[in-house]
Amino acid sequence: DGGITQSPKYLFRKEGQNVTLSCEQNLNHDAMYWYRQDPGQGLRLIYYSQIVNDFQKGDIAEGYSVSREKKESFPLTVTSAQKNPTAFYLCASSTTRVTEAFFGQGTRLTVV
Amino acid sequence: GQQVMQIPQYQHVQEGEDFTTYCNSSTTLSNIQWYKQRPGGHPVFLIQLVKSGEVKKQKRLTFQFGEAKKNSSLHITATQTTDVGTYFCAGQSNTGKLIFGQGTTLQVKP
Repeated sequence: DGGITQSPKYLFRKEGQNVTLSCEQNLNHDAMYWYRQDPGQGLRLIYYSQIVNDFQKGDIAEGYSVSREKKESFPLTVTSAQKNPTAFYLCASSTTRVTEAFFGQGTRLTVV
Repeated sequence: GQQVMQIPQYQHVQEGEDFTTYCNSSTTLSNIQWYKQRPGGHPVFLIQLVKSGEVKKQKRLTFQFGEAKKNSSLHITATQTTDVGTYFCAGQSNTGKLIFGQGTTLQVKP
């Protein structure tokens, strides 16, 4: 089945540790996105990529890093510089000429 | 930068009542999309509007795109408990960014 997969669903980390969230898609989409969702808030764009080996910062990129070495994969690293990393992280993909974005199931990150 | 504002943030209705959420962009949009997120789930695409003044319907849902392509609305007629969730609008900029509004969370009392 075609789709977009995020793993793991739940992740716990100690404060000060970097953590990498996985996002893989087999939809042959060029564009991929990372959003952060906090309780009662909307989706805030962290990073997006429209083509392999290229990505742009979104509205809240500080404390995060990404890579786009393969079309299918867009991993997000939450670094220790992110002051409040506990949140629900959503990855999405779409064709470059956007018709609709497909979302993964999300990763709920808790930093203790 | 581009901002997409959505109101209201929350709406509680009695089953059978109508519901409307509004979306406004600080810049002209190439298109606008609407998504629904059920509690505990992820956003799921509902529809895309592209043309100025466009109106589209999906059963009890009516979507409108403003003449200036800077605002949009979603109207649900005769809400049902299955309509519960958070409704997001999303605007695409000419650079490819897909910016979401804050969402409107709909609660329906049976």
